[in-house]
Amino acid sequence: EDKVVQSPLSLVVHEGDTVTLNCSYEVTNFRSLLWYKQEKKAPTFLFMLTSSGIEKKSGRLSSILDKKELFSILNITATQTGDSAVYLCAGAGGTSYGKLTFGQGTILTVHP
Amino acid sequence: EAQVTQNPRYLITVTGKKLTVTCSQNMNHEYMSWYRQDPGLGLRQIYYSMNVEVTDKGDVPEGYKVSRKEKRNFPLILESPSPNQTSLYFCATRTGASYEQYFGPGTRLTVT
Repeated sequence: EDKVVQSPLSLVVHEGDTVTLNCSYEVTNFRSLLWYKQEKKAPTFLFMLTSSGIEKKSGRLSSILDKKELFSILNITATQTGDSAVYLCAGAGGTSYGKLTFGQGTILTVHP
Repeated sequence: EAQVTQNPRYLITVTGKKLTVTCSQNMNHEYMSWYRQDPGLGLRQIYYSMNVEVTDKGDVPEGYKVSRKEKRNFPLILESPSPNQTSLYFCATRTGASYEQYFGPGTRLTVT
């Protein structure tokens, strides 16, 4: 059975702090690792990682994948209150690469 | 405007009364998928479809049916809903070549 585990499950920080969110995965026929941000609505796409060791960046957010150790991290620097959300990671795989297994999510709360 | 629509957005029903949640997309995407989201469990994939007339089970297909007769529509059918199917349901789509999914707004279903 495919499994994706995120840690920590929740995190409370102050504005300006840097946070690291972790995601480990066991996915059959693994293809890609995806990160999503979910506020009080549908998830929105952040990153897709397919190759090991190549960092993806978007503003203050960055992410990297380690396919040997089967994990990914999402870093957020200089956090802002608008970063408060649930961060979801998901492993894509399966026989036709259509299966997507999500982790439980990390609830990030950023206080002013 | 590219969008994924779900109907209804909110539904309260009783055990055993058949219901259908519709999902429609206007992006000509090959891939469509259904998820349910429950507190503490993250998003769990119910079914996915790689193209018209091609569907496959996700992690939690029991109690659900889907069909993909046209590219733009992917309805989720609950033949005999039970209270444990009370959840927030999301439909999502993507192209066949990318894993960046576009999520619909969600349907909150309550089964009493």
